[in-house]
Amino acid sequence: HLQLQESGPGLVRPSETLSLSCSVSGGSMSGDTHYWGWIRQSPGQGLDWLASLHYTGNTHYNPSLEGRVTITADMSANQFSLRLSSVTAADTAIYYCVREFGYWGQGILVTVSS
Amino acid sequence: DIQMTQSPATLSASVGDRVTITCRASEGISGWLAWYQQKPGKAPKLLIYEASTVEPGVPSRFSGRGSGTEFTLTISSLQPDDSATFYCQQYHSFPYTFGQGTKLEIK
Repeated sequence: HLQLQESGPGLVRPSETLSLSCSVSGGSMSGDTHYWGWIRQSPGQGLDWLASLHYTGNTHYNPSLEGRVTITADMSANQFSLRLSSVTAADTAIYYCVREFGYWGQGILVTVSS
Repeated sequence: DIQMTQSPATLSASVGDRVTITCRASEGISGWLAWYQQKPGKAPKLLIYEASTVEPGVPSRFSGRGSGTEFTLTISSLQPDDSATFYCQQYHSFPYTFGQGTKLEIK
């Protein structure tokens, strides 16, 4: 049974870079034809798709993030990562890693504050 | 970007009621639509994909219909455990986009 688990700091200072990792267990990322990605949810708000990555190397990003976001994968370690630069308070959210579409991590709350 | 509009935003219904939530896309997405259920403090749970395919393990009272720009999620007989927020998501094209959510309350 596929499981995903996010990890990373819960607090990031404004203007710095948010870095999160997602560890995948119960299955292998390489050769899995689904996309792996990140979705966030601001407190009390809806869901926003951030980025997706395919095992072939294809990546897609939400243009609303204006080039601040990068998704990468380490297939040998069975994990993938998110980097979001120049964060502001508006980036405070629960960040979920997902495998399209039925597998979600439990989410990690990241607060942007000085 | 494809805009997804859900209605209603909130819904109050009684146990045993038939409930329908609508999701409209700003352009045609064929059948590339998923429905999720989210309970407080939990990650969203996939209910339906490809507009009408029910995810294994999801109760049979949940069903989805639609194609193109208009889609519906129906709960045939509402149960107390169905209190949650429901979201639609299009995956026809990037950037993937979600509806704003429908909060379902059990009377």
